Amino acid sequence: DQQVKQNSPSLSVQEGRISILNCDYTNSMFDYFLWYKKYPAEGPTFLISISSIKDKNEDGRFTVFLNKSAKHLSLHIVPSQPGDSAVYFCAARDYSGGGADGLTFGKGTHLIIQP
Amino acid sequence: ETGVTQSPTHLIKTRGQQVTLRCSSQSGHNTVSWYQQALGQGPQFIFQYYREEENGRGNFPPRFSGLQFPNYSSELNVNALELDDSALYLCASSLRGGSGTEAFFGQGTRLTVV
Repeated sequence: DQQVKQNSPSLSVQEGRISILNCDYTNSMFDYFLWYKKYPAEGPTFLISISSIKDKNEDGRFTVFLNKSAKHLSLHIVPSQPGDSAVYFCAARDYSGGGADGLTFGKGTHLIIQP
Repeated sequence: ETGVTQSPTHLIKTRGQQVTLRCSSQSGHNTVSWYQQALGQGPQFIFQYYREEENGRGNFPPRFSGLQFPNYSSELNVNALELDDSALYLCASSLRGGSGTEAFFGQGTRLTVV
């Protein structure tokens, strides 16, 4: 049972336009959400995060939106650049038990930026 | 550069063997987590170590075990290897108690079981 879902395996966007990556979740106990970017043969690199008490967080070209009622978050990249081509993972944390804060990941979306 | 390093980068083992993977945490981080990433999937949480104790585990059998050392480096041990254990194993370090708790990942160890 997937608690974090990224329903688009791939997304193609023209350079300079906006890229929107979507993520849905089912566990209402998730309190923190993160986006990671992964190039081949490298580990995931942290991009941006958002607490469940917020609905938007911005960092340069990257903005994450959280809609708790819909259990949906999205990552916006504006403008998209060739170096943004990578696999993007949505991840979430459930810290309600106070134990481990391991992350639950989606399957990823392969973003391709076309010139 | 995240400062999290893993060794080895690639490894080939035979079914039934045992393997040990190593991870050196980022300076200042006190928590290490291990993940398994199968082909075409997202990383799956194996377990987490804090203050040299396992403090949480995902849906993995006991033949997956680990250690965290006083310098916060860590090992992942897998006994009785199965073909399905072939995957990329990722180590992530973080600072427990921080509001952000962003985990920083190493480059991973690619394990192939034949």
